Amino acid sequence: AQKITQTQPGMFVQEKEAVTLDCTYDTSDPSYGLFWYKQPSSGEMIFLIYQGSYDQQNATEGRYSLNFQKARKSANLVISASQLGDSAMYFCAMREVYNQGGKLIFGQGTELSVKP
Amino acid sequence: EAGVTQFPSHSVIEKGQTVTLRCDPISGHDNLYWYRRVMGKEIKFLLHFVKESKQDESGMPNNRFLAERTGGTYSTLKVQPAELEDSGVYFCASSPTGHLYEQYFGPGTRLTVT
Repeated sequence: AQKITQTQPGMFVQEKEAVTLDCTYDTSDPSYGLFWYKQPSSGEMIFLIYQGSYDQQNATEGRYSLNFQKARKSANLVISASQLGDSAMYFCAMREVYNQGGKLIFGQGTELSVKP
Repeated sequence: EAGVTQFPSHSVIEKGQTVTLRCDPISGHDNLYWYRRVMGKEIKFLLHFVKESKQDESGMPNNRFLAERTGGTYSTLKVQPAELEDSGVYFCASSPTGHLYEQYFGPGTRLTVT
């Protein structure tokens, strides 16, 4: 069964607007972490933001915030004030502490295109 | 502080040949992971080292793939013999000891098998 689901293969957003990239997950592990990575066309994987399952507040890192809704098992990434350089592939990932050890489980990715 | 480095950045080989990919993790990181992304598909876990020991190799596709981590430092991933379906981008990542630290990824090695 798919553990991380990103339902948006591609998204467009106008420069300076906010955009939300969806991510839902499935786990029975009570302790887990959720991550978002950015992969620009150059290919490297850039860590953006992390949310722990026990964190009470939504994580924020600059223009990135994670809308964590535990009951719904969703961890959407919100990018505010989009910039042209935000155009890239975005991956949501999960790390289950007890069930799966340290490995990351990735979603299929969402390709974001920022329009000028 | 140097990041995770991988060598080569790109490798083109013929079916049946052997290729060895190398990963140098961030100094002091005990955890080292290998992942790969086959064209158009999601990134998939291959294996996890803790220091020099294989903690989890459940993602290794078959016995044509052999990973080592000498002395708990750098790691190599050998594919022998390579098949067409092995083409993709191979990522290495490292993280310090602890459960929920983010993993720092290397730039990846793009492997093309013709």
